[in-house]
Amino acid sequence: DTGVSQDPRHKITKRGQNVTFRCDPISEHNRLYWYRQTLGQGPEFLTYFQNEAQLEKSRLLSDRFSAERPKGSFSTLEIQRTEQGDSAMYLCASRRGGDEQFFGPGTRLTVL
Amino acid sequence: QKEVEQNSGPLSVPEGAIASLNCTYSDRVSQSFFWYRQYSGKSPELIMSIYSNGDKEDGRFTAQLNKASQYVSLLIRDSQPSDSATYLCAVYSSASKIIFGSGTRLSIRP
Repeated sequence: DTGVSQDPRHKITKRGQNVTFRCDPISEHNRLYWYRQTLGQGPEFLTYFQNEAQLEKSRLLSDRFSAERPKGSFSTLEIQRTEQGDSAMYLCASRRGGDEQFFGPGTRLTVL
Repeated sequence: QKEVEQNSGPLSVPEGAIASLNCTYSDRVSQSFFWYRQYSGKSPELIMSIYSNGDKEDGRFTAQLNKASQYVSLLIRDSQPSDSATYLCAVYSSASKIIFGSGTRLSIRP
């Protein structure tokens, strides 16, 4: 257990539905990252927060995806109008400054 | 060209031998380099970080960095069956994000 938690751990939804995932980083970590990982691939960067500011956003992140980190604590990732291609593991990671990055257990999304 | 490249494997190594995993990266200004281990169905677990040229040892693991050649490697000595996993190379780029390779699958055969 790295101290980064994610909820839910698994989510099954029907195409077209909206889903929201939550990440609670290690408390003193000011940087928070979201990644998506599909089978046989490494994690793909989606977005990055420093405190409450969203500083980077991948072009992979379509307008159906939105992320927030109110008050610089926990973060949420919402996917609207889910598609089957959104099925993946969604990983959250946090780090303090330039230190190492630690991952949560991930949320596995299945879109039927 | 991918930003971080790894041989996908699988790399099969007998128990007790040295496993050697390699990674190349394209961004010359990259500053920090990480190796993660990922078991099937689990999230990546940090094994080693390395920031300067040369070798860094931690137990059975040694990370090697050569910035001139844009090359990072991970050596695992006395390989154990529990080392069987996918190993991900990650590079901190200049754009405040970490880029991962696709990973190398390592299998330790008894």
